[in-house]
Amino acid sequence: EVQLVESGGGLVQPGGSRRLSCTASDFTFGHYWMSWVRQAPGKGLEWVANINEHGGEKKYADSVKGRFTISRDNAKNSLYLEMNSLRGDDTATYYCGRVKSAAHIDLWGQGALVTVSS
Amino acid sequence: SYELTQPPSVSVSPGQAATITCSGDAFPTKLAYWYQQKSGQAPVLLIFEDYKRPSNIPARFAASTSGTTATLTITGAQMEDEGDYYCYSTHPTGNVGVFGGGTKLTVL
Repeated sequence: EVQLVESGGGLVQPGGSRRLSCTASDFTFGHYWMSWVRQAPGKGLEWVANINEHGGEKKYADSVKGRFTISRDNAKNSLYLEMNSLRGDDTATYYCGRVKSAAHIDLWGQGALVTVSS
Repeated sequence: SYELTQPPSVSVSPGQAATITCSGDAFPTKLAYWYQQKSGQAPVLLIFEDYKRPSNIPARFAASTSGTTATLTITGAQMEDEGDYYCYSTHPTGNVGVFGGGTKLTVL
């Protein structure tokens, strides 16, 4: 089945770090840009970061620039989001997404909840 | 920063047409996309490249862009269409994504 599965969510203290993973199945992972999108509880969707097929081009939202790092391992069909200096307003469900035509997400994972709280 | 503006809520009676707008200064140069999100679920792609519909999306969902406004129309809304709708596009100056604030559709 074509799918994306996130892992790594949980409770983290303010100022702490967390690494999210996203594992792809049943499609050629290395042929697609990939994205992270987040959604704070009761709020709308917020685009977080993009990475190109080979990891050489990365884009970030201003709200996470300098604190979050997107990366990928095509040999493992995996996407990552390294989150540092976490704040309360980073509390959200984080979705990974497959990007079609380097433009839009056409496949979403089920999401991983990250809660930043002491 | 670049913004896409949607109405917070739209209400429609079953069987009637619902219209959700999305305003952005980069339209129509930049393409518009639409997602549906039901409570507790991941978003689902409804429309891509302004008006194209994935094969699994019912024909009652249609979209267009005119000037700086993208519009999603649901013809003959059904109870199952209740949820949140988001427009999406890319920043005028680069491959950076932007979502609209979302519109809650109520069918009653």
